[in-house]
Parts: sequence; structure tokens; C-alpha cells
Amino acid sequence: KAGVTQTPRYLIKTRGQQVTLSCSPISGHRSVSWYQQTPGQGLQFLFEYFSETQRNKGNFPGRFSGRQFSNSRSEMNVSTLELGDSALYLCASSDLGGQGYGYTFGSGTRLTVV
Amino acid sequence: SQKIEQNSEALNIQEGKTATLTCNYTNYSPAYLQWYRQDPGRGPVFLLLIRENEKEKRKERLKVTFDTTLKQSLFHITASQPADSATYLCALSATGTASKLTFGTGTRLQVTL
Repeated sequence: KAGVTQTPRYLIKTRGQQVTLSCSPISGHRSVSWYQQTPGQGLQFLFEYFSETQRNKGNFPGRFSGRQFSNSRSEMNVSTLELGDSALYLCASSDLGGQGYGYTFGSGTRLTVV
Repeated sequence: SQKIEQNSEALNIQEGKTATLTCNYTNYSPAYLQWYRQDPGRGPVFLLLIRENEKEKRKERLKVTFDTTLKQSLFHITASQPADSATYLCALSATGTASKLTFGTGTRLQVTL
């Protein structure tokens, strides 16, 4: 069974640009969550999608958005990039979305904003 | 505000001994508490989940306890091996927002020969 796949693995962008990250969950998993990990703040929840609907949202500005497609694949978008957006962005999938089961994480996308 | 605390100092332990990691939380009523392992440059790997009405959960060499009165979870690795060296994260989620995990900052475990 293939794991959670995130693309690209590494990305360098310039301040002010926008970026789209992709996540393919484990086959059959309907819940996809996104997290930002930085040395200072640790892992922080961005949002979660379940069956194409955003079900939970963290405390991030509106520049951070996401969506989920009918095949459960998900994308997150960050507009008007800031230097502070440099981080490891992790995607996690689950079949029921937190209902007593753990999450499977991808290896992440390392975003560097210069 | 909600706070999840893990010992930020690294835990150094000799091979074969039992490692015990602590997760304390405040201003939180978790429905589930999870433990993950993370290696450098990789995503977290799920280890164990325990529910609010459970006291203890075991899986092979791993054991988790959950004390909602003390607001604390303990994570034990028995017969530690150098391959257990990693950062261990605890994560909580509440009823109604069970899919939203709030993570602690993690504790780095180093198992030496």
C-alpha cells in the first residue's frame, strides 16, 4: 500500500510569489490534513479536508488555503509569500479523520522563501 | 490558552534501559492523545493512540499511560535500542474537532550503546 505522497519535496520561492503544494493520501483515506513545521513553533495545524469539505481550520491567515478533489487528493496554496512562511509543510491522511485512529504523514515539502 | 509541554531537553539513555517521556497539558479536555516518532527530515510516524477513558495502552515494547486528573501522559519504551533514537511528539485532539491535532514540541531521545 503506497504511503502519503507529497510533491514537490523541495521548493524555493521569492517573497511575494505564490505556491501550490500537492498531497496524495493513502488509497481509501478521505481525510487529509495539512501542518506547518518550523523550529520555533513546532507542528501547527493548518486545515483538514474530508470528502472535499473543509472540516477544521487552524489559526493561519487567509493567505493559506486548500482544497480537496473527488479522488481525495489535496492541494494547499500560499499566496503573497513571506520570509516567515519558510517551513516544512506536512500532509497527513486518515480514513475517518481523527475518530480514534492515527494519521499517516508524508515526508513533507520543504519550502524556502528568499 | 491551551498548552502542551514536553521536556525540551534531550533524554539520553543506555541501550536496554526503559525510556520514559512525559507530556503535560493545560486548558485542554482531550478526547484522544497520540504519540508519534519523527526522524530528521521526515514526517511523523504514528505509534499509539489512547482515548480519554483509557488508562493504559501497549504495543510491543511501547506503553502509554493517560491520567486526565493529572493532565499527563507517559510514554515508555522498554529495552531501548539505538534505533529508537528520534524525536517523540505527543498530540492531543478534542471531541468535535478530533481531526485537529495539537502537537507538543517533542522530546529528543538518544539511546547509546
